[in-house]
Amino acid sequence: EVLLVESGGGLVQPGGSLRLSCAASGFSFSSYWMSWVRQAPGGGLEWVADINQDGRGKAYVDSVKGRFTISRDNAKNSLYLQLNSLRADDTAVYYCARPPEYCSGGGCIDAFDIWGQGTMITVSS
Amino acid sequence: QSALTQPASVSGSPGQSITISCTGTSSDIGGYNLVSWYQQYPGKAPKLIIHKVIERPSGVADRFSGSQSGNTASLTIAGLQAEDEAAYYCCSYGGGWTYVFGTGTDVTVL
Repeated sequence: EVLLVESGGGLVQPGGSLRLSCAASGFSFSSYWMSWVRQAPGGGLEWVADINQDGRGKAYVDSVKGRFTISRDNAKNSLYLQLNSLRADDTAVYYCARPPEYCSGGGCIDAFDIWGQGTMITVSS
Repeated sequence: QSALTQPASVSGSPGQSITISCTGTSSDIGGYNLVSWYQQYPGKAPKLIIHKVIERPSGVADRFSGSQSGNTASLTIAGLQAEDEAAYYCCSYGGGWTYVFGTGTDVTVL
């Protein structure tokens, strides 16, 4: 079964840091670009960041540039998101997501096909 | 990286067809054929229902269809069913490996 399981969420004070993890199983993790998408309480979806197969290609939404860092460990089948200088408007459920199967091995995301269950981050004093 | 514009809500009676619009710019929707649509129930992760504008993943009902004209994409749900009551989001590639989602549309089945 193809599975993504996020962890690491919690309550953090403004200005604090947190590291999210996403454990992948059931597919060849190292063959796919991977992404983080977030959703504020009662709000819409927002793409946050993505990373290519070897970890050297990355992209971020403007609002997190310089504060968040996406990374991966293909040996551990894991995706990470380091969140620094957290602000109240970073409060959200954070999902990791995988593109469709046809994107395996290529420079392709196209869409977000497989999603984790999400992990909640609350930034509050 | 401004969110794509969707109507906040759309409603229809069972059996009817509804269409949700998603308006962007030439830098996102209009520049690429990479629009996707997601269905999300409260408290659940989104589910991909349309990718590459018109493609339906395996297992998605053929009542769902997508289209695009210029900077606007659309999702049509034909033969509306009670189970279609959910939030729907569009998403487009924005260049440079960036993506932008729509503001979301709540579908109500009357």
